[in-house]
Amino acid sequence: KQEVTQIPAALSVPEGENLVLNCSFTDSAIYNLQWFRQDPGKGLTSLLLIQSSQREQTSGRLNASLDKSSGRSTLYIAASQPGDSATYLCAVSAPPETSGSRLTFGEGTQLTVNP
Amino acid sequence: GAGVSQSPRYKVAKRGQDVALRCDPISGHVSLFWYQQALGQGPEFLTYFQNEAQLDKSGLPSDRFFAERPEGSVSTLKIQRTQQEDSAVYLCASTQSPGGGYEQYFGPGTRLTVT
Repeated sequence: KQEVTQIPAALSVPEGENLVLNCSFTDSAIYNLQWFRQDPGKGLTSLLLIQSSQREQTSGRLNASLDKSSGRSTLYIAASQPGDSATYLCAVSAPPETSGSRLTFGEGTQLTVNP
Repeated sequence: GAGVSQSPRYKVAKRGQDVALRCDPISGHVSLFWYQQALGQGPEFLTYFQNEAQLDKSGLPSDRFFAERPEGSVSTLKIQRTQQEDSAVYLCASTQSPGGGYEQYFGPGTRLTVT
């Protein structure tokens, strides 16, 4: 059974810092990996999708890397802003023949960026 | 539509009542997923539809949970005889193809509280 772990569970940083969120997964037979953002009381917003054949994806101040063989991904946030405060969730997708690529989530990292 | 919508956004039920939660996926999206998110946890897979066919219901926690998508668009998750442990946020997601490699787009969720 796939298990996803996110470290740290919570992180508080001053505005402007660069930071790294970590995600690890136990079964390397993934199809892709997605990073999501969740604001309190809201649904999930997709940030980045990395296919299993890719090593990284970038969007603005966000960069996500994937090392499938070691079962690890990192989300790098550059020049953090108070508006980045949210819970960040990592999710891995099973191969499509397995329930249409159902996602297995970590428990999230709660990020607070202080002005 | 512009995104995945869910209704109601909030539902309070007395223990033993039946509830029905609705999901409207993005128009044309073939795959639809239901997830359950307990407080402070990551979402967990409940069930998966490809068009109107329910291909995987292995995540449904008990036979009190039932989901349908009769015309391959709108889906309803029904919980019979609700229990306190059913209190959670229920998230719906859709993706354009079952072939994998596509982002899952999430709705805002329905927060169910069973008293």
